Amino acid sequence: AQKITQTQPGMFVQEKEAVTLDCTYDTSDQSYGLFWYKQPSSGEMIFLIYQGSYDEQNATEGRYSLNFQKARKSANLVISASQLGDSAMYFCAMRETSGSRLTFGEGTQLTVNP
Amino acid sequence: GAGVSQSPSNKVTEKGKDVELRCDPISGHTALYWYRQSLGQGLEFLIYFQGNSAPDKSGLPSDRFSAERTGGSVSTLTIQRTQQEDSAVYLCASRREGPGYTFGSGTRLTVV
Repeated sequence: AQKITQTQPGMFVQEKEAVTLDCTYDTSDQSYGLFWYKQPSSGEMIFLIYQGSYDEQNATEGRYSLNFQKARKSANLVISASQLGDSAMYFCAMRETSGSRLTFGEGTQLTVNP
Repeated sequence: GAGVSQSPSNKVTEKGKDVELRCDPISGHTALYWYRQSLGQGLEFLIYFQGNSAPDKSGLPSDRFSAERTGGSVSTLTIQRTQQEDSAVYLCASRREGPGYTFGSGTRLTVV
């Protein structure tokens, strides 16, 4: 069974600094996809970034990058130049290619301080 | 529509009553998912529809929960004889192909 672990219930960062949110996963599949979503207090789930297990390059989307270490089974999200609007809950999720559902971690509450 | 639409956005119901939650996916998206998010928790998979295939119901927590998808589009999640532990945000997502899951804004269900 697949499992996602986010060990940081809460993180704090100063505005304009970079922050790394941790995510480790467990799967027996060779082919899978890793996702990060942002959930502000309004409740919507906003897709941030995706990494396929066979992608050789780490995914990047603007200020977001995914530090993918396949051997360690980790997929940490790096947010550069934090902004006050980045304050939200962040979820790591995985989809095994053999299935279709996303399995989510418990989330990390990020607070950006001015 | 442009996004996934869920209704109602909020629902308060008395314990023991039945409720229906609606999801209108993005046009052309063949896959539709229901998730449940309890307060301060991650998302828990409930059920998945893909085209005309039989749905994956493996995440439904009890037989009080059921869902259908009519005409490959709109889906309704029904909870019978609601209990207080059913209080949560119910999120719907749709996908056409590839990694692009789009979530709705959810229905916040409160059972009193």
